[in-house]
This record gives sequence, C-alpha cells and structure tokens, in this order.
Amino acid sequence: SQQGEEDPQALSIQEGENATMNCSYKTSINNLQWYRQNSGRGLVHLILIRSNEREKHSGRLRVTLDTSKKSSSLLITASRAADTASYFCAGEGNKLTFGTGTQLKVEL
Amino acid sequence: DTEVTQTPKHLVMGMTNKKSLKCEQHMGHRAMYWYKQKAKKPPELMFVYSYEKLSINESVPSRFSPECPNSSLLNLHLHALQPEDSALYLCASSQGLGGGAYNEQFFGPGTRLTVL
Repeated sequence: SQQGEEDPQALSIQEGENATMNCSYKTSINNLQWYRQNSGRGLVHLILIRSNEREKHSGRLRVTLDTSKKSSSLLITASRAADTASYFCAGEGNKLTFGTGTQLKVEL
Repeated sequence: DTEVTQTPKHLVMGMTNKKSLKCEQHMGHRAMYWYKQKAKKPPELMFVYSYEKLSINESVPSRFSPECPNSSLLNLHLHALQPEDSALYLCASSQGLGGGAYNEQFFGPGTRLTVL
C-alpha cells in the first residue's frame, strides 16, 4: 500500500487548545494536501503545500512539510468544538493517496 | 457554483440488483474521481476520468462500471455487488490532473451504499 500514516489516530483536547497532527508518506509527491471530514460526509479541502515549500498558513491552520523525512504536520490553533472531525493528509504524485487519518475531538 | 452533488444519498440493494450512482459538478473541472470509503478508513481511489476519458482504474472489480457522459457528469454503475462492497462512495472533481496548486479536489457528500 502507498498509504501514508497519521499520528495520532485519535486526539481529544479542550476548546482553546492547539491540535497537532502528523503525517508520514512513502512515495515522492508534487504536493501534500490536508482534508477534513465530518462524520459520514464528504471531504473538505483545507490547505495545499507544494513540495518546494516548507511552511504554509491559512487562518488558524499551519502546515509544515519536510520532504527529506517524507513528513508533514497540521497545527490547528485555538481549537473550537466545530473543529471536531477527521483530518486526512493526502500526497499527490500521479494520484492523490490519503493517509490513515486523525480523529480530532474538541470538547467544551 | 462550487458544489459537487451526488445522488442518491442512501442506497440499499440486493446482490442481484443493478443500480447507478450519479455525480455532477458545474465548476468546469476536467478531472473527476470515484472513491470508496469504509468506516474509519481513508478514501480509496477507484477511478479517475480526465477530459471525459478513463485515466486511472485502480484494479476495481468489473461489477463496478464507471461512465462519464459529459464533462459535468460521472456515473458509477453497480451490478452483482457483494455485501463487502457496502461503503460510502465519494465523487470528487478538480481542475486538472498532475502535480500543481490547482489540484485541490472538491468532494460531494457521498452515497451511503448497503448491499444485502
């Protein structure tokens, strides 16, 4: 399988705290994307980082990419209950390959 | 319109039935995708269409048959499915294929398929 691994598998935090999710992938990529999925629904694109970029910000999201280690991280700052969802990284080579996902629960 | 629509939302079918899933987008995207997702697992790519031609078939069993009638529509025809085919089927579209910043994929809400 070309699937990436995400760590942790599940994360539970209090509202206002930061959440960090890590992703490792196996093959060379052109870019790495992060998606969010609410329970049983479609995925929503959050952010894309190109292979020649090291860090990218979008609102409360910060993504890093280390191509030498084939790894990426997603940081959500000042989390909210509405951030509760599954988060997937996806590496794009000739196709998009999703990681195993992190289930984030943000409690009030 | 930045939406990908899928019908039906839910589908229950027997192993001898023939049914179809439908997907539509009006964003002018030239690439469309079918994914299969089991509970608590990531989406798995099934098919990719680029400019209405099948570009990638991830060794999907022939009981799944994709069709792209035009640039806005993507169908998935189902026949003689097995209970293990029960899953959430997701459709997605993107501006194009290949590496690049324009390859954000837009996903539909999915069709929850149950095979009895």
